[in-house]
Amino acid sequence: DSGVTQTPKHLITATGQRVTLRCSPRSGDLSVYWYQQSLDQGLQFLIQYYNGEERAKGNILERFSAQQFPDLHSELNLSSLELGDSALYFCASSVAGGLSEKLFFGSGTQLSVL
Amino acid sequence: GDSVTQMEGPVTLSEEAFLTINCTYTATGYPSLFWYVQYPGEGLQLLLKATKADDKGSNKGFEATYRKETTSFHLEKGSVQVSDSAVYFCALMTPTGTASKLTFGTGTRLQVTL
Repeated sequence: DSGVTQTPKHLITATGQRVTLRCSPRSGDLSVYWYQQSLDQGLQFLIQYYNGEERAKGNILERFSAQQFPDLHSELNLSSLELGDSALYFCASSVAGGLSEKLFFGSGTQLSVL
Repeated sequence: GDSVTQMEGPVTLSEEAFLTINCTYTATGYPSLFWYVQYPGEGLQLLLKATKADDKGSNKGFEATYRKETTSFHLEKGSVQVSDSAVYFCALMTPTGTASKLTFGTGTRLQVTL
């Protein structure tokens, strides 16, 4: 158990809908990362937060947004969903987001858009 | 931009065979290098890391050496077990402003048979 909790584990929804994925980092970790894993794109970095502030942005679509709350949990909001958004979404956390820090990954949320 | 190239899988080996999974990278500056492993149905776990040239990371019989001259970080294990069957991801971490960005390769699936 990595200590990172993601909910829900599975989500099935329709095109055009909006969903929210939730992540609770390990106790004491200030930095949260979101990744998207799909068969064709591999593991893509979406966004990173540190202590409530956005720190780095990757290949995140404009339809997607995220935030980190004062209690350090994070939410990834996906809107106007398309079939191609079906993927496994991982959250990871680390102590401070430093250069050689180990990331701890949650077990992911499997999103299926029908 | 930063990128990681891994050998394509799947790699199928018999138990006790020698394993090599090639990984090369492109990055500006001096990245930290990682191997993460993903077992079926789980999130990624850090396997080993190296933070500077000529460092050797090792864990659970796996090894990888940070080769700056060849920009490589090949993963090796002398004798694989069935329990090593998983997807292995090579990754590099580079500074991005005040943050650090972890970039993954596409992953290499390893299947070990009896």
